[in-house]
Amino acid sequence: KAGVTQTPRYLIKTRGQQVTLSCSPISGHRSVSWYQQTPGQGLQFLFEYFSETQRNKGNFPGRFSGRQFSNSRSEMNVSTLELGDSALYLCASSLVANAEAFFGQGTRLTVV
Amino acid sequence: KQEVTQIPAALSVPEGENLVLNCSFTDSAIYNLQWFRQDPGKGLTSLLLIQSSQREQTSGRLNASLDKSSGRSTLYIAASQPGDSATYLCAVMSIASNTGKLIFGQGTTLQVKP
Repeated sequence: KAGVTQTPRYLIKTRGQQVTLSCSPISGHRSVSWYQQTPGQGLQFLFEYFSETQRNKGNFPGRFSGRQFSNSRSEMNVSTLELGDSALYLCASSLVANAEAFFGQGTRLTVV
Repeated sequence: KQEVTQIPAALSVPEGENLVLNCSFTDSAIYNLQWFRQDPGKGLTSLLLIQSSQREQTSGRLNASLDKSSGRSTLYIAASQPGDSATYLCAVMSIASNTGKLIFGQGTTLQVKP
């Protein structure tokens, strides 16, 4: 059974650009959530999607957005990138929202 | 507001030792608590999930306990090995935070010396 797949694994972007990250959950999992991990702040929740609906959102500016497709795959988008957006972005999937969460390998975003 | 704390931040032990990692949380109204392992630059690997109605879970050399009333969980690692070296994170899914949101501690970085 394939795990959670995140693409791309690494990205380098320039300040002001935008970026889209992709997450394919484990087959059959309908809940997808996103987290940002930085050395200073640790792991912080961005948002959670279930059946194409955003049900929960963390304290991040509106530059951070996401969506989920009918096949449960999810994307997150960050517009007008800032240096502070450099982080490891992790996606997790679970069967339903409160079940065991399984994480992907993450996308390392570097903003220069 | 739910807060999760892990102590110590770092731990170094010789191979073969049994060890305990600690996790505390401020709000006992949780759905579950999950322990993860993270290797440098990698994603999180789920180790154990304890539902709020459970007291402990075991997997191989790992045993996790949950005491909701005191807001504590421990991860016990038996007969530690160098391959256990990693950062261990605990996370709670708090009822007040609504669905799908895990609140993480800062982690304990474990080094097991051969």
